[in-house]
Amino acid sequence: SQTIHQWPATLVQPVGSPLSLECTVEGTSNPNLYWYRQAAGRGLQLLFYSVGIGQISSEVPQNLSASRPQDRQFILSSKKLLLSDSGFYLCAWSTSTDTQYFGPGTRLTVL
Amino acid sequence: GENVEQHPSTLSVQEGDSAVIKCTYSDSASNYFPWYKQELGKGPQLIIDIRSNVGEKKDQRIAVTLNKTAKHFSLHITETQPEDSAVYFCAASKGGSYIPTFGRGTSLIVHP
Repeated sequence: SQTIHQWPATLVQPVGSPLSLECTVEGTSNPNLYWYRQAAGRGLQLLFYSVGIGQISSEVPQNLSASRPQDRQFILSSKKLLLSDSGFYLCAWSTSTDTQYFGPGTRLTVL
Repeated sequence: GENVEQHPSTLSVQEGDSAVIKCTYSDSASNYFPWYKQELGKGPQLIIDIRSNVGEKKDQRIAVTLNKTAKHFSLHITETQPEDSAVYFCAASKGGSYIPTFGRGTSLIVHP
């Protein structure tokens, strides 16, 4: 069966520091991968998605970036965090069946 | 692009009552409609989905109905239990698109 991992689970970072969040998927090949941010415990904002290694599409212009160095690995990064980057970051995967499956999330607090 | 409206934003019921959450979509080409349950501090989990070739689907206490003509779909939870308390999201997508459009979520509170 397929599983999705995210780490770290929680992170507290000062403003201006760098960020690296990692997501890996097991049990499937060539998945579509997604990064979402959820603020205030409600809506899901799509940040990036990838349909293959090295292929990244950005949905929202901001100081975040994403990379996909391996088929089942998706990384979210920032060179300098802002207070507004605080939130709950979710990674998700899908295949041709359209269904998205979400990871456990990373709670990021920027102070 | 697709637009998904979800109502209500908050729903409070007594244990044992039924709960109904409704979503409308704008793109008639959408043909896949999943529902997710998100418990506090966790990622959303798929609980049921429906494709446009059927009008209703049931899984124990949960059911989803789809009206393609009116472009709306609903989640029905019967005999609610306190553990049903969570935020529920609907979504709509169409074949060939990798990106579903999500509703803004409904916070369901089941009082014991």
